[in-house]
Amino acid sequence: EPEVTQTPSHQVTQMGQEVILRCVPISNHLYFYWYRQILGQKVEFLVSFYNNEISEKSEIFDDQFSVERPDGSNFTLKIRSTKLEDSAMYFCASRRTTADTQYFGPGTRLTVL
Amino acid sequence: QKEVEQNSGPLSVPEGAIASLNCTYSDRGSQSFFWYRQYSGKSPELIMSIYSNGDKEDGRFTAQLNKASQYVSLLIRDSQPSDSATYLCAVNGGGNFNKFYFGSGTKLNVKP
Repeated sequence: EPEVTQTPSHQVTQMGQEVILRCVPISNHLYFYWYRQILGQKVEFLVSFYNNEISEKSEIFDDQFSVERPDGSNFTLKIRSTKLEDSAMYFCASRRTTADTQYFGPGTRLTVL
Repeated sequence: QKEVEQNSGPLSVPEGAIASLNCTYSDRGSQSFFWYRQYSGKSPELIMSIYSNGDKEDGRFTAQLNKASQYVSLLIRDSQPSDSATYLCAVNGGGNFNKFYFGSGTKLNVKP
């Protein structure tokens, strides 16, 4: 069964450093999402992406964040200058149509020291 | 701000009992609803989706939707210790790209 994959599973970085989190959505899906979950808190929407552009973003998704689909398979989230409060699990999700469910990847645990 | 509310629990039930998980949502225009199971440190895993008022059954799981009351629930029959997890209610946010709004989750403990 196709699944969303994410790499790395755990990323440790120093405050102020740039990180890139990678996702490979399910191949015939068209809508892509990033969510984050701070430890013990709810899953929060960051950004949605369709047709090679951002379709919606939350207040969390400020100028330090960017997304890209550099080729036909990868979907990346970049944080330019990480802060301590960026430490969280980051989940990528994809869906074929907006009526379908979203399928989540296994997540990347980002730890900012 | 669209809200999805869940009782955080923990909800403790004995093995074999029925577990009942509840969720309310604020956006009356929401059209689709999802229950995810999340084990600690893992990603959300889809349990059920429901789009119409009434009940939808899948194995030991039954989702119930009442749009007039803005209420969705999940029943787990014959609860097993392996069902112990946090259950997340997700509501499709509407608009063109339909992001999900998640509740904070209900932690379920099934005691052997």
